[in-house]
Amino acid sequence: DTAVSQTPKYLVTQMGNDKSIKCEQNLGHDTMYWYKQDSKKFLKIMFSYNNKELIINETVPNRFSPKSPDKAHLNLHINSLELGDSAVYFCASSHILSRGYNEQFFGPGTRLTVL
Amino acid sequence: GIQVEQSPPDLILQEGANSTLRCNFSDSVNNLQWFHQNPWGQLINLFYIPSGTKQNGRLSATTVATERYSLLYISSSQTTDSGVYFCAVVNTGANSKLTFGKGITLSVRP
Repeated sequence: DTAVSQTPKYLVTQMGNDKSIKCEQNLGHDTMYWYKQDSKKFLKIMFSYNNKELIINETVPNRFSPKSPDKAHLNLHINSLELGDSAVYFCASSHILSRGYNEQFFGPGTRLTVL
Repeated sequence: GIQVEQSPPDLILQEGANSTLRCNFSDSVNNLQWFHQNPWGQLINLFYIPSGTKQNGRLSATTVATERYSLLYISSSQTTDSGVYFCAVVNTGANSKLTFGKGITLSVRP
């Protein structure tokens, strides 16, 4: 199936731990994103990569480090997890805006719970 | 940055009823999308509609970019339409970043 996939779907961990979330897309897109959905369902951009280059870096603590090994993959590593990091993290992909059409498609989300 | 306001915040419908969901935005946009977040948390693309009108089955959407609003119409609502509807925009010059509204929670009662 053509899609955006994320692993894991659920992640439960202790404060202070380090964890990673992986994302892959097979839609042939050149741009990938991480969004965070908080407990009030508000969605906000965190990062975006275009062809492995960081193009959006919102005001996110530097404990969050995205890495894009190639344009089909974007991973999110989080160091020293805090209670406030509990949220649902969504990966998305699209063509770059300059190509004129950049509908974004979202993965199923990763629900992170920090205890 | 651009502001995205959705109304009403909550909506309860009887199955079979029609409804209109509104999205206002404060600046020019290159992209506008409507999403449905179902009760399982999936974000489903409904429309990519920076301008004009589109229809898909019982759903249709209209964006009037010059007046900075978009409308999502749901006709003959079904219980499976329940969930949260998000409008999201890319501000002109904002480098593909989608800015989301707070969403409209729709409950369709049988």
